[in-house]
Amino acid sequence: GESVGLHLPTLSVQEGDNSIINCAYSNSASDYFIWYKQESGKGPQFIIDIRSNMDKRQGQRVTVLLNKTVKHLSLQIAATQPGDSAVYFCAEGNDYKLSFGAGTTVTVRA
Amino acid sequence: DAGITQSPRHKVTETGTPVTLRCHQTENHRYMYWYRQDPGHGLRLIHYSYGVKDTDKGEVSDGYSVSRSKTEDFLLTLESATSSQTSVYFCAISLTSNEQFFGPGTRLTVL
Repeated sequence: GESVGLHLPTLSVQEGDNSIINCAYSNSASDYFIWYKQESGKGPQFIIDIRSNMDKRQGQRVTVLLNKTVKHLSLQIAATQPGDSAVYFCAEGNDYKLSFGAGTTVTVRA
Repeated sequence: DAGITQSPRHKVTETGTPVTLRCHQTENHRYMYWYRQDPGHGLRLIHYSYGVKDTDKGEVSDGYSVSRSKTEDFLLTLESATSSQTSVYFCAISLTSNEQFFGPGTRLTVL
């Protein structure tokens, strides 16, 4: 699989590989965290969320990991497919509001 | 898009003119939000609403006002549009305080 240690704006992944997208958040008091996927010309689409009292949550082909010690969030996508090409945003939530990261553009190579 | 529509979807206007964007939901969700999205900035919260007639400012509220006279509609107004307000505007709704569902966006160009 391919991964980024620190947040990078772009990630190129071979189809079928696993990919890891990283995000650093700023507020240690945030209650929950969400990953969104945004395809060109569309609004962000919810992928998966995790509450601050958890460190891992799995969905369909996706896993989110939360490391509160270093304020780090990651999204793992298993067996990356062409339809996974998009911009991925992490968001931290507190008091009914979300704060978004700058996003990572994932490109899947055939 | 989870029962959310935005209108207009595209608008071109001139500096100094008033502009109103509309967000309409059919989900009866309590919370509604307006964001702007610009290259390199992700999504930034402009204003949000936690009920009819209950609104509050987000991180980039200067130059914008909102109104929510009924549950299903949340209006964003630019009283006097400036070129710096050229952006893509997204509305979002939420039943609780967690997951937000986004509309399709409005692309606004201020000349």
